[in-house]
Amino acid sequence: KAGVTQTPRYLIKTRGQQVTLSCSPISGHRSVSWYQQTPGQGLQFLFEYFSETQRNKGNFPGRFSGRQFSNSRSEMNVSTLELGDSALYLCASSLLGMNTEAFFGQGTRLTVV
Amino acid sequence: QKEVEQNSGPLSVPEGAIASLNCTYSDRGSQSFFWYRQYSGKSPELIMFIYSNGDKEDGRFTAQLNKASQYVSLLIRDSQPSDSATYLCAVILINTGNQFYFGTGTSLTVIP
Repeated sequence: KAGVTQTPRYLIKTRGQQVTLSCSPISGHRSVSWYQQTPGQGLQFLFEYFSETQRNKGNFPGRFSGRQFSNSRSEMNVSTLELGDSALYLCASSLLGMNTEAFFGQGTRLTVV
Repeated sequence: QKEVEQNSGPLSVPEGAIASLNCTYSDRGSQSFFWYRQYSGKSPELIMFIYSNGDKEDGRFTAQLNKASQYVSLLIRDSQPSDSATYLCAVILINTGNQFYFGTGTSLTVIP
């Protein structure tokens, strides 16, 4: 059974650019949640999508957005990148929702220069 | 007060001992509590989740939840060197609109 797949694994972008990250959940899972992990702030919740609808949202500015497709794959977009957006971005998939058993992908390491 | 607080450690225990990890949370109405393990350079992996007061056991791991005191703990019995990792406590806080909050993690080292 394939796990959660995140692409790309590594990304380098310039300040002001935008970036799109992709997450393919485990087959049959309808919930995808996104997280940002940095050494200073730790792991922080961005948002959760379930059946193409944003169900929960963390305290991040509007530059961070996401969407989910009918096949449950999800994308996260960050516009007008700032140096502070450099982080490991993780997604997790779950059958029933983030308040149940969830499985993390390997993450996308974003570096903003 | 932070939403979820953990002692950052590091916590060191000898092999075979019981490791005790603690976490407190701010929202009395929280319903869902999680413990994740994260090895260096790897993604978090779920160890256990607990919803009800009391203990939940899974192999060498026991999660204990006390809603009145607003703390959740994780006990690791017969600790092994392979248990050396950072343990993250996570809580879904209802009063912030079902947001998932993580503690900063406790680094555990099991000494052979």
